[in-house]
Amino acid sequence: QKEVEQDPGPLSVPEGAIVSLNCTYSNSAFQYFMWYRQYSRKGPELLMYTYSSGNKEDGRFTAQVDKSSKYISLFIRDSQPSDSATYLCAMSPNFNKFYFGSGTKLNVKP
Amino acid sequence: KAGVTQTPRYLIKTRGQQVTLSCSPISGHRSVSWYQQTPGQGLQFLFEYFSETQRNKGNFPGRFSGRQFSNSRSEMNVSTLELGDSALYLCASSLGASNTEAFFGQGTRLTVV
Repeated sequence: QKEVEQDPGPLSVPEGAIVSLNCTYSNSAFQYFMWYRQYSRKGPELLMYTYSSGNKEDGRFTAQVDKSSKYISLFIRDSQPSDSATYLCAMSPNFNKFYFGSGTKLNVKP
Repeated sequence: KAGVTQTPRYLIKTRGQQVTLSCSPISGHRSVSWYQQTPGQGLQFLFEYFSETQRNKGNFPGRFSGRQFSNSRSEMNVSTLELGDSALYLCASSLGASNTEAFFGQGTRLTVV
């Protein structure tokens, strides 16, 4: 079993929809949770970072962590075609070693 | 401020050969991590260097090795290449110890034929 599980999609939504992306994990030592966005032929870029459980909002993006369920989510409100990319969750027990999900490919249709 | 630079961008090698990939981190960053990205396995951690010392290592065979120089530039080497080593190799740099934000380069696309 992988330490981080993420549905690969693809997920296709119309412009303006609310998008929900999710990951589950098995290692209870994970304390730091991140979401990266990766455009085609580019390296991943950090979108959101959360420590322990709770919510964090940044513009149209909201990250949620539920440590009791070992489940994290990223919500995108008012999705735009420019949000079309692969979204990777990542987590770590410390800052030195990160475990990534396999990524969910999102397509936002105009 | 220049980003993370990886060279070369694309590489084609034959089985049994070896390859060296290079990563120049953002100026001032002392930590460099390497990842292998494949469609089936996603991003997998290879190793992390901080101040010229390997601080963490993933579950890859000994054919995969790396080093970091005093200027924080890093190289990774793969010997006796196998077809399964075909992947996008990504390098990420960060300030180091307690900084979470890792900046990724665009990667080196390695194809083994």
